[in-house]
Amino acid sequence: NAGVTQTPKFQVLKTGQSMTLQCAQDMNHEYMSWYRQDPGMGLRLIHYSVGAGITDQGEVPNGYNVSRSTTEDFPLRLLSAAPSQTSVYFCASAGEGSNYEQYFGPGTRLTVT
Amino acid sequence: DAKTTQPPSMDCAEGRAANLPCNHSTISGNEYVYWYRQIHSQGPQYIIHGLKNNETNEMASLIITEDRKSSTLILPHATLRDTAVYYCIVQYSGGYQKVTFGTGTKLQVIP
Repeated sequence: NAGVTQTPKFQVLKTGQSMTLQCAQDMNHEYMSWYRQDPGMGLRLIHYSVGAGITDQGEVPNGYNVSRSTTEDFPLRLLSAAPSQTSVYFCASAGEGSNYEQYFGPGTRLTVT
Repeated sequence: DAKTTQPPSMDCAEGRAANLPCNHSTISGNEYVYWYRQIHSQGPQYIIHGLKNNETNEMASLIITEDRKSSTLILPHATLRDTAVYYCIVQYSGGYQKVTFGTGTKLQVIP
C-alpha cells in the first residue's frame, strides 16, 4: 500500500491564483481530512469528509473548497490564493479497520507571494 | 480550542524513559485518548490510543488516570530518533468528528 499520497510536494503561487492540492489514499478509508500547519503551530482542520459525497467544514475553512467524488481522492482547492495561506498542508485518512487512527500524507509546502 | 493541555517542551536523556503528560479534564465517556508524533516537518505518525485501561505497544505505553482526566505517554528508552513534537488528542473511536490538535510537546532527547 502507498498509504496517503499528496501532490505536489512544493508549490509557489502568486496572490489571486487558484490551484488544487491532490490527496489520495489506497486503504479504503471512509474518513479523510485536510489540515494546515503554520510555523511553530499545531495542525488546524480545514475540511473533512466522512465518505464519498459528504464533506464538512473544520476550524479554518475560509478560502478553501473540497469535494469527495470517490473514496480514494479528496482534493483541496484554493480559490484565490492569499499570502495568509502560506503554510504546510497535510492530508489524512482514517477508517474503522485501523481503529480510526489517522494516517497522514507527507505534506505540501505552499508559498503565496 | 484544543481539548487537551500539554507542556510546550521537555528534555530527556538518551536511554532514559520519557514521560509526556497530557491533561484532558473535559473528556467525555466515549472519547479516546490518541497520541501522535511529528518528526521534523513530516506528517504526524500515530503512536497509541486508549479509552480507560493502560495500553502498551512496540512504540510506547499509555497510562490513563482512573478519572480519565489526564494521561501519560511513556517512551521506555528514549533515543535521539524520538526527538519530535508529541500531540495528545481526544476523539471518538466509533466515528469521525472534528479533531483538534493543540501545539503539542516538543521532546528533545539529549545524548
